[in-house]
Amino acid sequence: EAGVTQFPSHSVIEKGQTVTLRCDPISGHDNLYWYRRVMGKEIKFLLHFVKESKQDESGMPNNRFLAERTGGTYSTLKVQPAELEDSGVYFCASSLLGLASEQYFGPGTRLTVT
Amino acid sequence: DAKTTQPNSMESNEEEPVHLPCNHSTISGTDYIHWYRQLPSQGPEYVIHGLTSNVNNRMASLAIAEDRKSSTLILHRATLRDAAVYYCILREVVRTGTYKYIFGTGTRLKVLA
Repeated sequence: EAGVTQFPSHSVIEKGQTVTLRCDPISGHDNLYWYRRVMGKEIKFLLHFVKESKQDESGMPNNRFLAERTGGTYSTLKVQPAELEDSGVYFCASSLLGLASEQYFGPGTRLTVT
Repeated sequence: DAKTTQPNSMESNEEEPVHLPCNHSTISGTDYIHWYRQLPSQGPEYVIHGLTSNVNNRMASLAIAEDRKSSTLILHRATLRDAAVYYCILREVVRTGTYKYIFGTGTRLKVLA
């Protein structure tokens, strides 16, 4: 069974440009999460989908970030316009619905804003 | 958000047990304690989790203090493949059926041959 996949693995863009990150969860996983780790900081929660619905987006840093999960399958996270402080590694994770279901993480997308 | 505190790094000799500590003094009664580890160039992977009682699985054991303000991940025999960053995480309830992970800064474990 394929794990969580993320695309691209690495993106380098200039300040002010737009970048879209994609996450494909494990098939059948209704929960989908986005996290990020910026330089020197811990991994932080961004938001949580159940199927196509946003359940918690309390971790989204500002309105330059937009996450979607149309159809409840893959998800995209768009940053527009990107700023220098957005550089970091963005992780996606998915899990089954359930009380203590473990999360399966993708390998991450390393975003560099220059 | 509750927070976890871990040592930045630890070393262990191969084939010896490793005890990785975590403090979570502000934990609430509904928070689960999860441990994940991150190998180089990979995302975090699940190790173990618990609520109140000690837990064992094929990878590790989790010892939870009686007051739940601290926990220890135990690797019974460290191997070179266990070298990774280990994260102590609190799984917080946002509302019924919705949870989020609060990551600590992680402990980088180095295993010496």
